[in-house]
Amino acid sequence: GQNIDQPTEMTATEGAIVQINCTYQTSGFNGLFWYQQHAGEAPTFLSYNVLDGLEEKGRFSSFLSRSKGYSYLLLKELQMKDSASYLCATETDSWGKLQFGAGTQVVVTP
Amino acid sequence: KAGVTQTPRYLIKTRGQQVTLSCSPISGHRSVSWYQQTPGQGLQFLFEYFSETQRNKGNFPGRFSGRQFSNSRSEMNVSTLELGDSALYLCASSLAAGGDLSYEQYFGPGTRLTVT
Repeated sequence: GQNIDQPTEMTATEGAIVQINCTYQTSGFNGLFWYQQHAGEAPTFLSYNVLDGLEEKGRFSSFLSRSKGYSYLLLKELQMKDSASYLCATETDSWGKLQFGAGTQVVVTP
Repeated sequence: KAGVTQTPRYLIKTRGQQVTLSCSPISGHRSVSWYQQTPGQGLQFLFEYFSETQRNKGNFPGRFSGRQFSNSRSEMNVSTLELGDSALYLCASSLAAGGDLSYEQYFGPGTRLTVT
């Protein structure tokens, strides 16, 4: 079966750092994606982790531990425009199918 | 390079009708996946097409169907619409080739379907 858990909402102030955790139980796990979705818009690709470790892309970093079924997305130097839903999604040995978590709504306050 | 495009962007239908949604992938992308997004269920996988063949299907009733054309454009059809079909329908394209599983998916803007 497939189960993905992430917090529902997180609030942080501008300039701060926020870490969004994602735990998963997925058979045939292949990799893990993070997407950002602003209200009323389509998800946009942020990162993709296949191997254990940290991937850094500017203000965003993503970490994966396959043995623990755990990932996190780290957002640094938060900006108001980072207020959005962040979706964790697992990729399995199943063509073209991503299994999404419910999303974490990040609210950035001044 | 143009992104994934979907038409129409908004659609209002009544129960019992059918609807066809269209998706044009990024140039060079041959894999197209479809998802349904609702507030209650989140993003759920409908099906995936590659080279005009459906390779994978999610847990949706047979009223949901799709196809892919030789130019990789894809359509999905929902027949006998129900109120619960109201959702944002997203398509995503990727470079995934025949035997490859690991490619990022790029989403289109979606079609917002409202069933009354």
